[in-house]
Parts: sequence; structure tokens; C-alpha cells
Amino acid sequence: GQQLNQSPQSMFIQEGEDVSMNCTSSSIFNTWLWYKQDPGEGPVLLIALYKAGELTSNGRLTAQFGITRKDSFLNISASIPSDVGIYFCAGLGSGTYKYIFGTGTRLKVLA
Amino acid sequence: DSGVTQTPKHLITATGQRVTLRCSPRSGDLSVYWYQQSLDQGLQFLIQYYNGEERAKGNILERFSAQQFPDLHSELNLSSLELGDSALYFCASSVGPSTSGRYRAAQYFGPGTRLTVL
Repeated sequence: GQQLNQSPQSMFIQEGEDVSMNCTSSSIFNTWLWYKQDPGEGPVLLIALYKAGELTSNGRLTAQFGITRKDSFLNISASIPSDVGIYFCAGLGSGTYKYIFGTGTRLKVLA
Repeated sequence: DSGVTQTPKHLITATGQRVTLRCSPRSGDLSVYWYQQSLDQGLQFLIQYYNGEERAKGNILERFSAQQFPDLHSELNLSSLELGDSALYFCASSVGPSTSGRYRAAQYFGPGTRLTVL
């Protein structure tokens, strides 16, 4: 099925570093969602974005809805070991009921 | 805890068999979605229901079917199981039928059912 381009695919970072990842689409979306998934667990909703240009924070996480409505960014500040996991973006277009998911960014934090 | 419940957590069965996965959405949510996630793969959308009616279909095989009941819980039926059907199956729920709008489109996932077909 259709998927969003998410980058980077994986990254190793040192504890305390900031992390940035993004999702891009060829289509315009009205909603962007960011999730974190631990192995064998269900994705956990981190941040929801509903308006172009919107910047929303959840603790050390900040996400932005791109102005073009074709991309979104997630930043994690001062990473800690429990930030390890796979981060997915999901987009929802106008007039559709189907969320499109990103390919995921696998984050590994080195203590 | 997202508020979405799924049972069973694990299911082991043999090829050719039929199984039923159950999902209860968050209180107040009318939409239920089903996803399949194979090992180290992304989430593949299967089907969506809103208040008992099918609203969207994804890459769902003809051997698979689902329904949403009046009490809003949903069941995913998988029949004539094959080895390749082994995967994590997630249910998610949201308030509305996925029309964009604050709080309506946010989708919450359950813990999943791990299906192993031997």
C-alpha cells in the first residue's frame, strides 16, 4: 500500500543529543500524527497536528505541520535511553478515511 | 494505556484454520480501524468502520472480514489461514469517521494481537 517517505530510516545518537526526523508526501494532508512503537507493542500517539504551520510540543517532543501540507517534522530534545523505538508518522488527506503511514525511523540511543 | 482493548494477546493456530480477533474502542469513539504489521514492517491498513458501517477498505484479503457491532466493538475474522498471515494485528479507534478536525482524527491503537500460523 501507499506509504509516506520518512527519514532517516534509522539513527544512532548519544544520550543528551537532539534528534530530528521528517515525513514527506506527494499529497496534501489535513492531519499529521506522530507515533512511537516499542517492539511487539502498539503504537502510542505522541502528537497530533491539524493545521498547516502548527507547532505542538509534548514534553521533550516537538512536531510541526509543514506549510506546504506535504511534510511534517518531529524533534526530540535531550534524548534519553527510553526514547529508543520506532517513530511513525501518519497523514490523513481531505475526503478520505484512510491514514497513510510512514516507513518508520528506528532510533537507538547510546548511553 | 490508550483505552483500546484487544483480545486475545497471542494466538497460535494451524494453516487452514479460522480465527476471530476482538477489539473494543475507547469510550466515546465511533470509528474502528484494523491494521496488519508483519515482522519489521510498517502498518498496513485493512479496514475501517464507523458506527457499524464500513467506511474504507485497504489491502484486506478476501479471506479476511470484519464487522462492528451495535455496542461498537469490532471483530476481525481471518479464515483459511496461511503461514504468511502470521503478524501483529492492531485495532485503533478515533472519535469520528476520520474527517479532519481537532480531536476527531487522532487515532489511538490497542496493544495488538500476535497471530502465529504454524
